[in-house]
Amino acid sequence: GAVVSQHPSWVICKSGTSVKIECRSLDFQATTMFWYRQFPKQSLMLMATSNEGSKATYEQGVEKDKFLINHASLTLSTLTVTSAHPEDSSFYICSASGLAGVRKSYEQYFGPGTRLTVT
Amino acid sequence: QKEVEQDPGPLSVPEGAIVSLNCTYSNSAFQYFMWYRQYSRKGPELLMYTYSSGNKEDGRFTAQVDKSSKYISLFIRDSQPSDSATYLCAMSAGGATNKLIFGTGTLLAVQP
Repeated sequence: GAVVSQHPSWVICKSGTSVKIECRSLDFQATTMFWYRQFPKQSLMLMATSNEGSKATYEQGVEKDKFLINHASLTLSTLTVTSAHPEDSSFYICSASGLAGVRKSYEQYFGPGTRLTVT
Repeated sequence: QKEVEQDPGPLSVPEGAIVSLNCTYSNSAFQYFMWYRQYSRKGPELLMYTYSSGNKEDGRFTAQVDKSSKYISLFIRDSQPSDSATYLCAMSAGGATNKLIFGTGTLLAVQP
């Protein structure tokens, strides 16, 4: 149980284009989803937190107009990197946190990540 | 000062050794402490979870939390080459946001 998928796993795009990354919780309802970015040999840095049906809460320094997050249902959140630039190249990982009782609310289950390369 | 400090390693040990991984933190509000394992180019996988101070054991893994010292540890007994990965500590104060703060991760290599 507690499986989170991401699609695509790897994407290359040209500078100036937009890329959408999907995050799905496959076997539980995710009330909260998180988006992280990880640069090589660095830790996961939280970008934003999204609750189903609400606007995402962005961490300080993360541009909300550049990284658009939509959490339309309890099983799907999307991250759109708009007008991507080479410095946006990174490993993007989502995680999902479910309802208490079945899944402890303080546990996050991570997706396999999406490697974005902007040329 | 970072909220969570973790030695990035790399740490190389022979197969069968006992591995000790550690993190220190500065935020006394942290109550939930997790250890994740991350293989190269994969998402983190939850290994151990501990609430407040104390020890927790699961197979070859033991997690310890000392809130008075703001220090947590993960011990791996009888280490195996398949344990080679990056180990990330993570902490949370809990509550509605459930925000996790990660250490930088320690790269572990277990030599056969």
